[in-house]
Amino acid sequence: GDSVTQMEGPVTLSEEAFLTINCTYTATGYPSLFWYVQYPGEGLQLLLKATKADDKGSNKGFEATYRKETTSFHLEKGSVQVSDSAVYFCALSPPSGGYQKVTFGTGTKLQVIP
Amino acid sequence: EAGVTQFPSHSVIEKGQTVTLRCDPISGHDNLYWYRRVMGKEIKFLLHFVKESKQDESGMPNNRFLAERTGGTYSTLKVQPAELEDSGVYFCASSQEDSLAEKLFFGSGTQLSVL
Repeated sequence: GDSVTQMEGPVTLSEEAFLTINCTYTATGYPSLFWYVQYPGEGLQLLLKATKADDKGSNKGFEATYRKETTSFHLEKGSVQVSDSAVYFCALSPPSGGYQKVTFGTGTKLQVIP
Repeated sequence: EAGVTQFPSHSVIEKGQTVTLRCDPISGHDNLYWYRRVMGKEIKFLLHFVKESKQDESGMPNNRFLAERTGGTYSTLKVQPAELEDSGVYFCASSQEDSLAEKLFFGSGTQLSVL
């Protein structure tokens, strides 16, 4: 079945450091890929998405590129801020769609210190 | 517009007790989903309502879990009797359409601790 593997946390960075959170997936066909973020005390929010190979999703300074050849969707940000401290989840849904088929990773907790 | 609301935010109970979690979706959202994150592992699908009907409950772990959505508005998830392995964060999500994963709106979750 479909699966998502993301790097374990927690990840602790100083403000303005470069961020990479690795995510790889296993799925048939061409799934859609997502990054969700959960800020403290809040629900999950969609951060960015990519629906086909070589697409780059971006939002709030975060980027991730859909790499079919390496089955990866790594999350990057050039300069993190304290407000980026949160838990980040990589996820996929198959081409046929349907929420029940959304597969999530284990989440990576990011802590940014001033 | 109010978001998806879940309560309680935290619940601590003893093994063998009963707990009921509640989710109020965004008004007008026919689709309601329950997910669970256990012990820091991946978030897993539990079930999906369309209005008051269970569209898919293939993710429900066993018959100790009962979900209802009377009237197609809010939903409850009851665990009876609770076991230690039920501890985790229970998320609810809602949407207008069941076709695009990016249209999901999540609540902040209920942290359940079974002692």
